[in-house]
Amino acid sequence: DIQLTQSPSYVSASIGDRVTITCRASQDINNFLAWYQQKPGKAPNLLIYVAASLQNGVPSRFRGSGYGSVFTLTISNLQPEDFATYYCQQANSFPRTFGGGTKVEMK
Amino acid sequence: QVRLEESGPGLVKPSDTLSLTCSVSGGSVSSYHWTWIRQPAGKGLEWIGQMYPTLRPNYNPSLQSRVTMSVDRSKNQVSLRLASVTAADTAIYYCATEIAGRRLDPWGQGTLVVVSS
Repeated sequence: DIQLTQSPSYVSASIGDRVTITCRASQDINNFLAWYQQKPGKAPNLLIYVAASLQNGVPSRFRGSGYGSVFTLTISNLQPEDFATYYCQQANSFPRTFGGGTKVEMK
Repeated sequence: QVRLEESGPGLVKPSDTLSLTCSVSGGSVSSYHWTWIRQPAGKGLEWIGQMYPTLRPNYNPSLQSRVTMSVDRSKNQVSLRLASVTAADTAIYYCATEIAGRRLDPWGQGTLVVVSS
């Protein structure tokens, strides 16, 4: 199975900050990486797919990048509604796997 | 716009079989790759498996001996069965579609399953 390691596990940030989350895969996954946002009591919501494509309706302050085994999700100009937990997920091979999550908390 | 809604018993006894249904509206169950994911309280996401109606399903090796996914075209539903459950199977269970770009979208709202006697 492909392991995904997210860092950091927690990030404390303020409104307007830039936040960067890293996802490292245990092997090359090409660009088959997605990012999801999850708020308490809600299902995850797709933000980014194939590493850098923005899902329809997602604000442009969310940006994904990377290829191979290292990927990043950058949130620019953090907004109140962005405080949530973020997960990466690889879709290069089966079984699909998720990273452990990164919780973005208010400083 | 495809919409998904999971349903199930809520409470299952240890060693029993968990059975969940994902009802699909706005699209045909025959046209999508169906995925089940679960999330224990306060923990991360675990991929359970994926199926396309005409293809062999792919299951998480950690659950493969206990899991079965199927579709009911007449009801436009996807089903998940997990045998011999223990407390470790207590979680919110989500269904989702894997679409172009291998992205999971949309997701259902999830259904909580508690394994307890």
